[in-house]
Amino acid sequence: EDKVVQSPLSLVVHEGDTVTLNCSYEVTNFRSLLWYKQEKKAPTFLFMLTSSGIEKKSGRLSSILDKKELFSILNITATQTGDSAIYLCAVERGGGAQKLVFGQGTRLTINP
Amino acid sequence: DARVTQTPRHKVTEMGQEVTMRCQPILGHNTVFWYRQTMMQGLELLAYFRNRAPLDDSGMPKDRFSAEMPDATLATLKIQPSEPRDSAVYFCASGLTGTQGQPQHFGDGTRLSIL
Repeated sequence: EDKVVQSPLSLVVHEGDTVTLNCSYEVTNFRSLLWYKQEKKAPTFLFMLTSSGIEKKSGRLSSILDKKELFSILNITATQTGDSAIYLCAVERGGGAQKLVFGQGTRLTINP
Repeated sequence: DARVTQTPRHKVTEMGQEVTMRCQPILGHNTVFWYRQTMMQGLELLAYFRNRAPLDDSGMPKDRFSAEMPDATLATLKIQPSEPRDSAVYFCASGLTGTQGQPQHFGDGTRLSIL
């Protein structure tokens, strides 16, 4: 059965800290791994990773994929209170349908 | 800025009532997904359509849930009869399959409470 596991499930840090969120997966016919940020409403897209070892970066956020060890990490540096959210990892299965399997999410709280 | 639009945003109703949730996908997207999110189960895929044809609804309780896409601008998810355990946030997402590197985009969801 396809499985995506995120850790930690919850994390509380102070503003300015750096955090690393983890995502491991067991999925047949892997196509890509995606990270989403969910505040109060819709999950919003952050990154899509398809190749091992290539870091994707957007401002203070970055992510990398290891297809041999079947995991990905999402790093946030110099955290701000606006980074508080649930971060969702999802793996897309092949077959052309963009079918996503989601992890449980990491609830990140940034305290001022 | 193109968005997935869902209505209603909130729905409170009594068990046994019919509930219909609507979704307008992003113009040009050819795939539409319905998800349900709860604290216990997280985000679960219920059903999805490509080019308006249903591809997979194995995540849906078939006896009470139905999903349709009457045209390219409207997808619906219906629950009849509703039960308290259906209380959740229901998200619609749309995407463009066949194109590498195109993620799904989510609507703001319908928060459903069945009393």
